[in-house]
Amino acid sequence: DVKVTQSSRYLVKRTGEKVFLECVQDMDHENMFWYRQDPGLGLRLIYFSYDVKMKEKGDIPEGYSVSREKKERFSLILESASTNQTSMYLCASSWDRGAREQFFGPGTRLTVL
Amino acid sequence: GQNIDQPTEMTATEGAIVQINCTYQTSGFNGLFWYQQHAGEAPTFLSYNVLDGLEEKGRFSSFLSRSKGYSYLLLKELQMKDSASYLCAVLNAGNNRKLIWGLGTSLAVNP
Repeated sequence: DVKVTQSSRYLVKRTGEKVFLECVQDMDHENMFWYRQDPGLGLRLIYFSYDVKMKEKGDIPEGYSVSREKKERFSLILESASTNQTSMYLCASSWDRGAREQFFGPGTRLTVL
Repeated sequence: GQNIDQPTEMTATEGAIVQINCTYQTSGFNGLFWYQQHAGEAPTFLSYNVLDGLEEKGRFSSFLSRSKGYSYLLLKELQMKDSASYLCAVLNAGNNRKLIWGLGTSLAVNP
């Protein structure tokens, strides 16, 4: 079974803090993705990576950065957390061939106070 | 522009059949996915269609018409545990790694 894990299920941070969200997959997937999901707005892509050290901006990259130093690990960084970044953050991964279906981690519910 | 439309909410009765529609307008097409998402959980993959026609997988079936930009997810013998949000997503041909997502259809199954 494909397994995608995220470092925390729930996280509470203060405005201005630097926040790290980590995602690890064990299926040797080339592609990894970070989304946020908010009521009424659906899934929105923040960044994705198709190879180690490679990254591309998604639809809403402002206020975020990412790091992929190893194939299995993709980190999302909030340089200075703000209250409008309170959200559910979902990591996903996929092979870069075939159907390319994405497999999701359990999500991190981040609250910024 | 790129757009995926699906109804916001649907209700159905336990044991019945429900059809959730999805229409899409994208600059390219490389396949359509259906995901199920229970409240507070991550989406899980249900089905994939890249050719026209019906794909059946147990109680769930998915249909695609590429010429009409249309798909549906058919759920038979509904169970209470099928109450969830159902997300339609299209793999864009231009960048065939990213999915374009619909907002999801929230299905409530009543006894």
